[in-house]
Amino acid sequence: NAGVTQTPKFRILKIGQSMTLQCTQDMNHNYMYWYRQDPGMGLKLIYYSVGAGITDKGEVPNGYNVSRSTTEDFPLRLELAAPSQTSVYFCASSYSPRINTEAFFGQGTRLTVV
Amino acid sequence: AQKITQTQPGMFVQEKEAVTLDCTYDTSDPSYGLFWYKQPSSGEMIFLIYQGSYDQQNATEGRYSLNFQKARKSANLVISASQLGDSAMYFCAMSSSNNAGNMLTFGGGTRLMVKP
Repeated sequence: NAGVTQTPKFRILKIGQSMTLQCTQDMNHNYMYWYRQDPGMGLKLIYYSVGAGITDKGEVPNGYNVSRSTTEDFPLRLELAAPSQTSVYFCASSYSPRINTEAFFGQGTRLTVV
Repeated sequence: AQKITQTQPGMFVQEKEAVTLDCTYDTSDPSYGLFWYKQPSSGEMIFLIYQGSYDQQNATEGRYSLNFQKARKSANLVISASQLGDSAMYFCAMSSSNNAGNMLTFGGGTRLMVKP
């Protein structure tokens, strides 16, 4: 059972570099999310998607872009990395928008921008 | 806007004792859900327990129970018979009735340390 898979697990970027954090799920979930977790803090929503071709901003979208060309994949793009984007990034998915639906999380990507 | 507050940054508990982790919330939504997640040192997010705002009974899952007091807007997690493996960060989170997806608002977390 793969669930939600994120790659890479760790990455160090230089200021101004770009990268894509990959996220794929094999549960046929329509709803997918990207969160970031700053040191010692809770998670904050960056972007979310309610299905292929549909994405929208969350609480902290600045500096990021997303796309959703398939149900399975929801990549997060950082165009010009900044030290403030040093964080742990979690991708999650759920099968329903209902409030009682559990979100399934990936293992996280630890990103350091230097 | 929704807000989750966890006022205990860190807590110690003796092995085999019970511990309560506090969570208070603020929302104007009439319908909402409350979740607790565990994050061990390895970093993954593990779902523990869920409570719906209209649920009549407090949720229980094995050694985990949720002390839900709607009027006080609190949803405290109770772990009975603590084990060394319970040492981790614990996050309280809220979902709201939003057809745009089951997005979660998280608290800042509580680090629980179980002493042998």
